[in-house]
Amino acid sequence: ETAVFQTPNYHVTQVGNEVSFNCKQTLGHDTMYWYKQDSKKLLKIMFSYNNKQLIVNETVPRRFSPQSSDKAHLNLRIKSVEPEDSAVYLCASSRNTGQLYFGEGSKLTVL
Amino acid sequence: QQQVRQSPQSLTVWEGGTTVLTCSYEDSTFNYFPWYQQFPGEGPALLISILSVSDKKEDGRFTTFFNKREKKLSLHIIDSQPGDSATYFCAASMSNYNVLYFGSGTKLTVEP
Repeated sequence: ETAVFQTPNYHVTQVGNEVSFNCKQTLGHDTMYWYKQDSKKLLKIMFSYNNKQLIVNETVPRRFSPQSSDKAHLNLRIKSVEPEDSAVYLCASSRNTGQLYFGEGSKLTVL
Repeated sequence: QQQVRQSPQSLTVWEGGTTVLTCSYEDSTFNYFPWYQQFPGEGPALLISILSVSDKKEDGRFTTFFNKREKKLSLHIIDSQPGDSATYFCAASMSNYNVLYFGSGTKLTVEP
């Protein structure tokens, strides 16, 4: 049963455009994350938010910015996409420690 | 810097066989080690996990082993089934720090 919802599931755009991905979790978790999964399936943490406070930022480029309105929502905005941003962006949530619950992912293709 | 190393990159086994995946890590402060399973078009889902105070955890056909001295862990799947075909990720974190660091994944194919 899906409890972490991501939109859109796919997005194709051109270099320099702005993109936003939305994420909502219905699990009542306090912490949400954005991971990037590249074409080789490598999963890397981008951001982590605990109760709307940013607690991790793994030195991602400045064109990426997380946006959270409440603890159930964590969006990801990319200001000016580059070809290397093509990837699947995975949103996840968790209680304070332990199991991550992932969404289905948002696949970005930059032409 | 790769915090968690995983091998092999891909693996094919016959139905009914035993699958063994391995991982190693560097940071001694890691104490939580989950394995995630990912099917195409889906996000990863927790399969089994182990804390550093244990050396073995079993859940049905899946068993994970942990060796603190060697900083290694492994996942064993007995009686492998075609439905087990997926990509498997090991991961590690510190209990007071939520972020999971993932291995590079193993694509498992179970042939009937």
